[in-house]
Amino acid sequence: GAVVSQHPSRVICKSGTSVKIECRSLDFQATTMFWYRQFPKQSLMLMATSNEGSKATYEQGVEKDKFLINHASLTLSTLTVTSAHPEDSSFYICSADRPPLNYGYTFGSGTRLTVV
Amino acid sequence: GNSVTQMEGPVTLSEEAFLTINCTYTATGYPSLFWYVQYPGEGLQLLLKATKADDKGSNKGFEATYRKETTSFHLEKGSVQVSDSAVYFCALLEGGGTSYGKLTFGQGTILTVHP
Repeated sequence: GAVVSQHPSRVICKSGTSVKIECRSLDFQATTMFWYRQFPKQSLMLMATSNEGSKATYEQGVEKDKFLINHASLTLSTLTVTSAHPEDSSFYICSADRPPLNYGYTFGSGTRLTVV
Repeated sequence: GNSVTQMEGPVTLSEEAFLTINCTYTATGYPSLFWYVQYPGEGLQLLLKATKADDKGSNKGFEATYRKETTSFHLEKGSVQVSDSAVYFCALLEGGGTSYGKLTFGQGTILTVHP
């Protein structure tokens, strides 16, 4: 149980285009999902917290207009990288909460975004 | 604020060697502690957890004990295998306050096990 599906696993896009990444909780409802960015050989940087039915809460330094997050249902959150540039190339990972809170979060398998 | 510090890697071991990856933390409340493992090109998988002082988390031969007096949660395995090669992250989850619900990660430790 407690599976989070993230799609796509890899995407290559042209500079200036937008890319949408989906994160789905398959066998549980997630009121909260988190989006992380990971640079090569580095730790995970929390970008934003996504709450179902409300606006996402972004961490300091993360551009809200560039990284659009939508959490329209209890099983789906999406991250859209708008007007992507090569510096947005990274590994993006989502996670979802599975009660009780101290269980720890279930992570998606990540999306490798390459902007050319 | 909360923070997690892991021993720097990379760590390179021979198969069947003993593994220790140190992790210490700073937290304002009473956090839960976790070890996650990341295999190349994949997301994170929960390896083990401990929710209160003196708890021992264990899984797949790995163990870690929540030591409140030393604010540590060191990861150990008695005999590593080549398949254990991965990146290991120590993390804490604050149960209250302004950091409620947010995982704080250490910087990760790369482990490579040779046959």
